[in-house]
Amino acid sequence: DQQVKQNSPSLSVQEGRISILNCDYTNSMFDYFLWYKKYPAEGPTFLISISSIKDKNEDGRFTVFLNKSAKHLSLHIVPSQPGDSAVYFCAAMDSNYQLIWGAGTKLIIKP
Amino acid sequence: KAGVTQTPRYLIKTRGQQVTLSCSPISGHRSVSWYQQTPGQGLQFLFEYFSETQRNKGNFPGRFSGRQFSNSRSEMNVSTLELGDSALYLCASSLTEILQETQYFGPGTRLLVL
Repeated sequence: DQQVKQNSPSLSVQEGRISILNCDYTNSMFDYFLWYKKYPAEGPTFLISISSIKDKNEDGRFTVFLNKSAKHLSLHIVPSQPGDSAVYFCAAMDSNYQLIWGAGTKLIIKP
Repeated sequence: KAGVTQTPRYLIKTRGQQVTLSCSPISGHRSVSWYQQTPGQGLQFLFEYFSETQRNKGNFPGRFSGRQFSNSRSEMNVSTLELGDSALYLCASSLTEILQETQYFGPGTRLLVL
């Protein structure tokens, strides 16, 4: 049973518009969440994180929102750029500091 | 500073064989974690080593094993390969054993089991 779910396998967005990637989790004990970005033939790279004591964290064009009651987080990219085309993984940290990963969403930015 | 390197990058094996994958962490990093990535499953945690000791282990059968050497390089071994072991195996290193966002990933080893 997947504890971290990214229900959209892919998402296509026009360049310059907002990209919204969603992630749901089932374990209310998760208290730290991370987003990673992965290009083909490369390993994932850390993008942004959020602690459960916050509901928003911003870093440049990237903002992560956390809704604990809904067990939902989202990553907003504004404005979207061609270089943002990649697979985005959502991950949650459990009490053993292990990361539980979602299946990923492939983001395609159209010129 | 060189990144995390993994060898080999691609590997083809047949069922029943065994395989050893290697990971060299970033210089100075003492923690190495291994993940299996299969389509639609995201990354599944295999195990983590810190200073030659296995600190955490994921939910994989005993056919999957690993070790870490004194220079922090790590190897993982899969014995009696099964078709379902075909995947991308990713290694990540970090300076300490905590703060997962400081993990740096290698490009992975793509294993195909025929």
